[in-house]
Amino acid sequence: QKEVEQNSGPLSVPEGAIASLNCTYSDRGSQSFFWYRQYSGKSPELIMSIYSNGDKEDGRFTAQLNKASQYVSLLIRDSQPSDSATYLCAVTPVGFKTIFGAGTRLFVKA
Amino acid sequence: EAQVTQNPRYLITVTGKKLTVTCSQNMNHEYMSWYRQDPGLGLRQIYYSMNVEVTDKGDVPEGYKVSRKEKRNFPLILESPSPNQTSLYFCASSLGTGTYEQYFGPGTRLTVT
Repeated sequence: QKEVEQNSGPLSVPEGAIASLNCTYSDRGSQSFFWYRQYSGKSPELIMSIYSNGDKEDGRFTAQLNKASQYVSLLIRDSQPSDSATYLCAVTPVGFKTIFGAGTRLFVKA
Repeated sequence: EAQVTQNPRYLITVTGKKLTVTCSQNMNHEYMSWYRQDPGLGLRQIYYSMNVEVTDKGDVPEGYKVSRKEKRNFPLILESPSPNQTSLYFCASSLGTGTYEQYFGPGTRLTVT
């Protein structure tokens, strides 16, 4: 079983729709959770971090964490073509050790 | 400008020829890390450092060495590169003290023939 799992996609949504990206993790003791966006040929960039159960909103992005179910999700409201990228879920189980999921490719159709 | 820099950006080398990829950050970050990214496998952590002279293994440390002699620098050393180390490498840094948001360098594409 992979430690951090994401659907590889691609996930295709129309412009203006809500994109929902999901991630599950296996280490129940994990404390820190992150979403990174990676455009083709570029380096990952941080979008959201979340440390406690519940929702965290930042502009069009909302991260949701449920530690009991061991999942973290990212919602992108009013999706734009510029949101088309690969979204990486990352979990920090201990110290600075970081486990990334393989990423979900998102396509937003104009 | 706050940034993580890596050099070289592209490197083609031959099996067994020692090489070093440099990484430097100007944000006074405590934590630094190296990753490799391969198609279908995502980002995998090679080594990380939580302080000067403190390093620890990530998921795929075999064949790599690191050192952290200064806070700003974290070089990745391949003493005897092999073709299975052909990959895209990223260095990242984080503020530390319980904050693990990472800022990535531009990447180094390494080909070992």
